Amino acid sequence: SQKIEQNSEALNIQEGKTATLTCNYTNYSPAYLQWYRQDPGRGPVFLLLIRENEKEKRKERLKVTFDTTLKQSLFHITASQPADSATYLCALSRGGYNKLIFGAGTRLAVHP
Amino acid sequence: EAGVVQSPRYKIIEKKQPVAFWCNPISGHNTLYWYLQNLGQGPELLIRYENEEAVDDSQLPKDRFSAERLKGVDSTLKIQPAELGDSAVYLCASSLLSSGGTDTQYFGPGTRLTVL
Repeated sequence: SQKIEQNSEALNIQEGKTATLTCNYTNYSPAYLQWYRQDPGRGPVFLLLIRENEKEKRKERLKVTFDTTLKQSLFHITASQPADSATYLCALSRGGYNKLIFGAGTRLAVHP
Repeated sequence: EAGVVQSPRYKIIEKKQPVAFWCNPISGHNTLYWYLQNLGQGPELLIRYENEEAVDDSQLPKDRFSAERLKGVDSTLKIQPAELGDSAVYLCASSLLSSGGTDTQYFGPGTRLTVL
């Protein structure tokens, strides 16, 4: 079965720096991969989607890369702010009606 | 536009008692999901509905869990009887899933269940 690995340790960075979070998967290559943000006591919120035939996707300060050879996605937040502090979840799917499988998430803390 | 609504937000019960959670998805979303999220883990799918039909309930512990989505809109998830290990956050999500598309899901705030 598919396994997703995200850094279990929290990532602590200084405000203004670029945060980089990693999502590694085993087994099959997904049709697409998504990143969600989750704040304490709230449900996940969709941020970005990248398809298997795409290398990179950007949205404002966010950037996602997808390397199907390495079986890895990187999620970047540039010019990070304390308000970016949250847990970031990686999720992937084979597409169509196949379910989304979520990683455990990485907690990001941006310090002023 | 209103998001996914869930109630209650918190529930504390004694073990062996029944409990029910309610979800109202985003208007027009045909697909509804119930997830379980343990502390420090990602959401795990319990059941997925396409309109009123349960199309994936392989991860639902059917001896004690049940769900329904009458009329293809609201849904309820029930546990009877609850066990200590059921303590978790129960998330509801909805989407406009199609066979050829991608599945961007919109989550509710969740119900935090504590079983004593």
